[in-house]
Amino acid sequence: EDKVVQSPLSLVVHEGDTVTLNCSYEVTNFRSLLWYKQEKKAPTFLFMLTSSGIEKKSGRLSSILDKKELFSILNITATQTGDSAIYLCASLWVGTTDSWGKLQFGAGTQVVVTP
Amino acid sequence: DGGITQSPKYLFRKEGQNVTLSCEQNLNHDAMYWYRQDPGQGLRLIYYSQIVNDFQKGDIAEGYSVSREKKESFPLTVTSAQKNPTAFYLCASIGAGGVGNEQFFGPGTRLTVL
Repeated sequence: EDKVVQSPLSLVVHEGDTVTLNCSYEVTNFRSLLWYKQEKKAPTFLFMLTSSGIEKKSGRLSSILDKKELFSILNITATQTGDSAIYLCASLWVGTTDSWGKLQFGAGTQVVVTP
Repeated sequence: DGGITQSPKYLFRKEGQNVTLSCEQNLNHDAMYWYRQDPGQGLRLIYYSQIVNDFQKGDIAEGYSVSREKKESFPLTVTSAQKNPTAFYLCASIGAGGVGNEQFFGPGTRLTVL
């Protein structure tokens, strides 16, 4: 059965700390791994990772994919209170009859950044 | 501005009633998706449609129905057969033109059964 597992489920850090979020996946017909940030509303896109070992960065956030070990990590450095959110990872898989594929989501990691 | 709209933002339903959630996109995206999110859980796929007049069941389709008569619209009906419909419902779309084919999400509809 296809599944995406995120860890930890929640964590609390102080402003300025570095956070590492984990996402492992077991998905057939895997195409890409996506990260989203959700703040009490719709998820907003952060990264899409397709190739192994290539880090993607956006400001204080970065992410990397390991397709051999089937996991991805999302790093947030110098955290700020505005980083408090649920971080979702999802694997994009494309079946033989799909044109655009489907996303299989993990349960998310709740991050709380305290002042 | 291009985007996905969902209405209503909040919806209250009495037990035994059918309700329809609206999802419209003007991104010219081919594929559209409906997800359900419960507290402490990720998003679960209800239905999706890759082209007009065609749709497939997701992981939790029981008690829901959809239609895709127009490319821009993908309404979701929550029927009385859905035993636990209180949740946050998200519509998404994907298609050519996205930066990396990431899914774009609408703002969501929060459904509460009274």
